[in-house]
Amino acid sequence: NAGVTQTPKFRILKIGQSMTLQCTQDMNHNYMYWYRQDPGMGLKLIYYSVGAGITDKGEVPNGYNVSRSTTEDFPLRLELAAPSQTSVYFCASSPTPGPKNIQYFGAGTRLSVL
Amino acid sequence: QKEVEQNSGPLSVPEGAIASLNCTYSDRVSQSFFWYRQYSGKSPELIMSIYSNGDKEDGRFTAQLNKASQYVSLLIRDSQPSDSATYLCAVNVQSSASKIIFGSGTRLSIRP
Repeated sequence: NAGVTQTPKFRILKIGQSMTLQCTQDMNHNYMYWYRQDPGMGLKLIYYSVGAGITDKGEVPNGYNVSRSTTEDFPLRLELAAPSQTSVYFCASSPTPGPKNIQYFGAGTRLSVL
Repeated sequence: QKEVEQNSGPLSVPEGAIASLNCTYSDRVSQSFFWYRQYSGKSPELIMSIYSNGDKEDGRFTAQLNKASQYVSLLIRDSQPSDSATYLCAVNVQSSASKIIFGSGTRLSIRP
């Protein structure tokens, strides 16, 4: 019953450093998402993917990159970390689009950029 | 105009009363609407989904959708302290069934 697994759970970065947030799901879902949540705010869509090899931008894609080489994995890359990227990052997956697009969320990665 | 708007709250409701949470959206072609609950420090979990105009009931929860007014709401009957959380409204946007946008959430507090 792993579901959506995110690693690491916590990370502190220095300004300008790079890192990859990992997300993997074992439910064979085609649709995967990355959101960020700033304190006291809702979720902002960064990138999403409708299947292996297909990704698209969300609301706030600047400063991030993604890839989707397999159905299971959807890593999020930060190339040059900035303080504005301090946030909680959630990965989600969904089995189908449309009215039954129910998203299953990972536990989140808490990132601080100092 | 934000694509999905919610009052941030906090909304304080006495235990046993009805809590009413509201959400408006800007994309007229949106077809799928979701309510997620998020406890502090946790990830969101689905409470209700609704696709057709009208009401949909599931236990103490009722989702209401009015596409003409671009309005969706969540009613929680017999509110319990365990209902205290942030409630997030989510909508598919831009004719894309797979692109889901969230509102900023409404904090709900149930007072004993």
